[in-house]
Amino acid sequence: DQQVKQNSPSLSVQEGRISILNCDYTNSMFDYFLWYKKYPAEGPTFLISISSIKDKNEDGRFTVFLNKSAKHLSLHIVPSQPGDSAVYFCAASPYNFNKFYFGSGTKLNVKP
Amino acid sequence: GAVVSQHPSWVICKSGTSVKIECRSLDFQATTMFWYRQFPKQSLMLMATSNEGSKATYEQGVEKDKFLINHASLTLSTLTVTSAHPEDSSFYICSAHWTNTGELFFGEGSRLTVL
Repeated sequence: DQQVKQNSPSLSVQEGRISILNCDYTNSMFDYFLWYKKYPAEGPTFLISISSIKDKNEDGRFTVFLNKSAKHLSLHIVPSQPGDSAVYFCAASPYNFNKFYFGSGTKLNVKP
Repeated sequence: GAVVSQHPSWVICKSGTSVKIECRSLDFQATTMFWYRQFPKQSLMLMATSNEGSKATYEQGVEKDKFLINHASLTLSTLTVTSAHPEDSSFYICSAHWTNTGELFFGEGSRLTVL
């Protein structure tokens, strides 16, 4: 049973526009959420996180939004750049961080 | 930002031999480290949680006698694949949890190929 879901396996966006990646979860005990970026044959790179006490966290071009009632989070990248092309994973954990559950990833392609 | 170093990044070994992979947190202390395995076109699968000074907690279906995990210090965890077989060939990734911020930082990954 997959507790974190990324329903869009791929997304294509024009350079300079906004990229919106979505993630849904089912476990109401999840308290901490993260987004990662991964290039082929490399380890994931941490992008941004958010705890359940917030509904928004911003870091440069990256903003994560959390809607706890809908059990939904999203990552916004503005403006999108070709170097952002990669696979993006969302992950969630309970408050004690003892386990992180990953989504299946969304492959973002930013076209020049 | 915080950095996690994983070594070796690529290893090829003969079937039946053992391989050790190291995971180091370079500028922070990590009480907890995680070991993941990635299968092609799939998400990262958690293998075990490594806690400094205590035994690792393995996920269901992961053989603890085959995948030995040692977390001897606050900056180093090792994964040893014992008596490796071709089906153990995979991409192994470690991550370290920085308790100060709650962030999780990943190593670069180690690609194991067993001949």
